[in-house]
Amino acid sequence: KQEVTQIPAALSVPEGENLVLNCSFTDSAIYNLQWFRQDPGKGLTSLLLIQSSQREQTSGRLNASLDKSSGRSTLYIAASQPGDSATYLCAANTNAGKSTFGDGTTLTVKP
Amino acid sequence: DGGITQSPKYLFRKEGQNVTLSCEQNLNHDAMYWYRQDPGQGLRLIYYSQIVNDFQKGDIAEGYSVSREKKESFPLTVTSAQKNPTAFYLCASRTGQGIFNTIYFGEGSWLTVV
Repeated sequence: KQEVTQIPAALSVPEGENLVLNCSFTDSAIYNLQWFRQDPGKGLTSLLLIQSSQREQTSGRLNASLDKSSGRSTLYIAASQPGDSATYLCAANTNAGKSTFGDGTTLTVKP
Repeated sequence: DGGITQSPKYLFRKEGQNVTLSCEQNLNHDAMYWYRQDPGQGLRLIYYSQIVNDFQKGDIAEGYSVSREKKESFPLTVTSAQKNPTAFYLCASRTGQGIFNTIYFGEGSWLTVV
């Protein structure tokens, strides 16, 4: 059974700092890995999707990497801003259309 | 605009009542999902449906029921058998299977037992 772990559970940084969020998964037989942002009381918004054959994806200040062999993905946020404060979740997606989610990392960026 | 609409946003249930959460999508997606999220935790799969008139139990299906009579709609009923239903419920749909499959979410529904 796939298990997804996100470390740390919470992170607080000053504005402008670069930071890395971690996601690990136990079953490397994934089709892709997806990173989401969730604001309090809201649904999930997709940030980046990395196919199993890719090593990384970039969107603006966000860069996600994937290492299937080690079962790890990272989300790098450059020059963090207070508006980046949210919970970030990763999901490992299989070919059967099932997703396994981590518990998320709650990020606070202080002005 | 295409998307997933969940209603109501907030719902209160009395002990012993069944309540139904609505989920409608106009993305033409075949697959739809219901997740439950408790405070500070990730998402747990309740039920999912890959095609119309077919659905499967997820990891925490006890006390819940669903139907999929139309491609666009996947309502979730929280029955009185669900002993701890207070949670945030998220509906989602998926573009397809294989390496290009991407999941999209609605804005969620808060259910509170009073």
